[in-house]
Amino acid sequence: EAGVAQSPRYKIIEKRQSVAFWCNPISGHATLYWYQQILGQGPKLLIQFQNNGVVDDSQLPKDRFSAERLKGVDSTLKIQPAKLEDSAVYLCASSLGGGDSGNTIYFGEGSWLTVV
Amino acid sequence: GENVEQHPSTLSVQEGDSAVIKCTYSDSASNYFPWYKQELGKRPQLIIDIRSNVGEKKDQRIAVTLNKTAKHFSLHITETQPEDSAVYFCAASIAHAGKSTFGDGTTLTVKP
Repeated sequence: EAGVAQSPRYKIIEKRQSVAFWCNPISGHATLYWYQQILGQGPKLLIQFQNNGVVDDSQLPKDRFSAERLKGVDSTLKIQPAKLEDSAVYLCASSLGGGDSGNTIYFGEGSWLTVV
Repeated sequence: GENVEQHPSTLSVQEGDSAVIKCTYSDSASNYFPWYKQELGKRPQLIIDIRSNVGEKKDQRIAVTLNKTAKHFSLHITETQPEDSAVYFCAASIAHAGKSTFGDGTTLTVKP
């Protein structure tokens, strides 16, 4: 079974530049998440989609971060303009969604962002 | 919202010893508690999970216990091996909401 795919794997940008990350979830998974993982910390939820609708974006810094999931499959996460503190791994994850059997979250390999 | 605290942040054991990692959560509505293992530079991967209607679950050398009253759950690894060295994350979630809150991780080092 194919896992969660993410690209690019690594990105180095200067502060105030923009960057976009792409994610393709496991086929059939209705729920898609973007997490931010800063070195030494656990993943922190940025946004959760159910199909193509936003379920939770309360922790997304909306002045600089945006995300979309058109057609309820692939998703992109954009940062513009980037700040030094945005240096982190951006993990995309997916789950079947809903119900007791659909909670297991499967993570992608992550997109490592360094802002200099 | 949910708050998950995980202890210890680092744990070093000798090969063959047991390791225990503990987590507490704040939201009594949480009913699903997964544990993830993350090796350096790799994705977090689910190793075991427990639902609130169960007090303990075992899978070979790993086990998880849950105390709903005290709102804490623990990961137990017996007969540790060097390949168990990784960062372990606990999480708490409400099953139907599909949203998990993660602890800050425990770096486990198993010394040969």
